[in-house]
Amino acid sequence: DAGVIQSPRHEVTEMGQEVTLRCKPISGHNSLFWYRQTMMRGLELLIYFNNNVPIDDSGMPEDRFSAKMPNASFSTLKIQPSEPRDSAVYFCASSLARRQGYGYTFGSGTRLTVV
Amino acid sequence: KQEVTQIPAALSVPEGENLVLNCSFTDSAIYNLQWFRQDPGKGLTSLLLIQSSQREQTSGRLNASLDKSSGRSTLYIAASQPGDSATYLCAVHSGGYQKVTFGTGTKLQVIP
Repeated sequence: DAGVIQSPRHEVTEMGQEVTLRCKPISGHNSLFWYRQTMMRGLELLIYFNNNVPIDDSGMPEDRFSAKMPNASFSTLKIQPSEPRDSAVYFCASSLARRQGYGYTFGSGTRLTVV
Repeated sequence: KQEVTQIPAALSVPEGENLVLNCSFTDSAIYNLQWFRQDPGKGLTSLLLIQSSQREQTSGRLNASLDKSSGRSTLYIAASQPGDSATYLCAVHSGGYQKVTFGTGTKLQVIP
């Protein structure tokens, strides 16, 4: 398995532009998570999906952020309009949720810089 | 609300030393606990996963223990090497759909 695949690896954009981050989870995994990592705040859970359905989006900073999972093999995180404070590394992770619990597998992340 | 704390925040040891990293959590109703390693500018690599019914897991020079009742886990690294230098993160899976709470990490430096 190729693991969790994220694209792009790096994104530099100007303030006010729309940014779309992409994630392909591990085949067969039924849970997908979007995290943001900064030096100041560490790893923050933004949103997670189970069986393509958003379960908890309470971590999404504000209405400028939106996430979709149209099918089991693809998810997007969109920021519109982007702001310099959105600069961070965004990680996607997937898991196979079972009663006894199952570990996460992380993607390599997208480093976003908003100038 | 689950809270996860890792102590120390940073650790510097000479090569060859055995060391212990600590993780504590406030809600003992967990599914499992996972230790990750993160190298600078990289993603998270899973090291060990301990189910709630287990007390420890071992992989090579790494041993992780779990004491749910006291809300603690430790990661033991034997005979440390410079290649072990990284940030180690503890992640606790609890609540519905395995919501995960991360600790802030311990930054380890192993000096040759």
